[in-house]
Amino acid sequence: DGGITQSPKYLFRKEGQNVTLSCEQNLNHDAMYWYRQDPGQGLRLIYYSQIVNDFQKGDIAEGYSVSREKKESFPLTVTSAQKNPTAFYLCASREGGTVAEQFFGPGTRLTVL
Amino acid sequence: GQNIDQPTEMTATEGAIVQINCTYQTSGFNGLFWYQQHAGEAPTFLSYNVLDGLEEKGRFSSFLSRSKGYSYLLLKELQMKDSASYLCALVGAGNNRKLIWGLGTSLAVNP
Repeated sequence: DGGITQSPKYLFRKEGQNVTLSCEQNLNHDAMYWYRQDPGQGLRLIYYSQIVNDFQKGDIAEGYSVSREKKESFPLTVTSAQKNPTAFYLCASREGGTVAEQFFGPGTRLTVL
Repeated sequence: GQNIDQPTEMTATEGAIVQINCTYQTSGFNGLFWYQQHAGEAPTFLSYNVLDGLEEKGRFSSFLSRSKGYSYLLLKELQMKDSASYLCALVGAGNNRKLIWGLGTSLAVNP
């Protein structure tokens, strides 16, 4: 089955530690996205990539970093510079071109203690 | 700007019909999505409107009026499993097809 996987579902880290969230898709999609969702807030775009080896900052990129070395993979690193990292993180992909629909992974809930 | 407004919460009764509105102010966009999101889960696609008018898909329909800056999602024959958040999202005018998200409407379906 084609889809997007994120692991783990729940992640706990100590304050001051960097942590990397994985996102893999086998849909052969060109574009990939990382969102953050907090209670009572909409989805906020962290980073996106429209093609391999290229990515752009979204609306709240500070304290985060990404890489896109392979088409299937778009890992997100939450660094110690991120002031409030506890949140629900969603990865999405899009076929590319003029196709607009985004498909989402199951999400990772990160809790920083 | 591209402000998107949705009611924060709505309640409805099982078997009834409910309309969730989405209003926006934007200088241009490529289309409008509705997604459903159950608590703790990922958003899933419900509908996509590019042109003005009604798109029907089973129990769910979505309407768009570009001239009025207005969309709605209509849910018929409500079921308990329809209790979820409903997210309205505009497709930005650029080539990157970025989505601009509303805050979502939390719908509670009561027996």
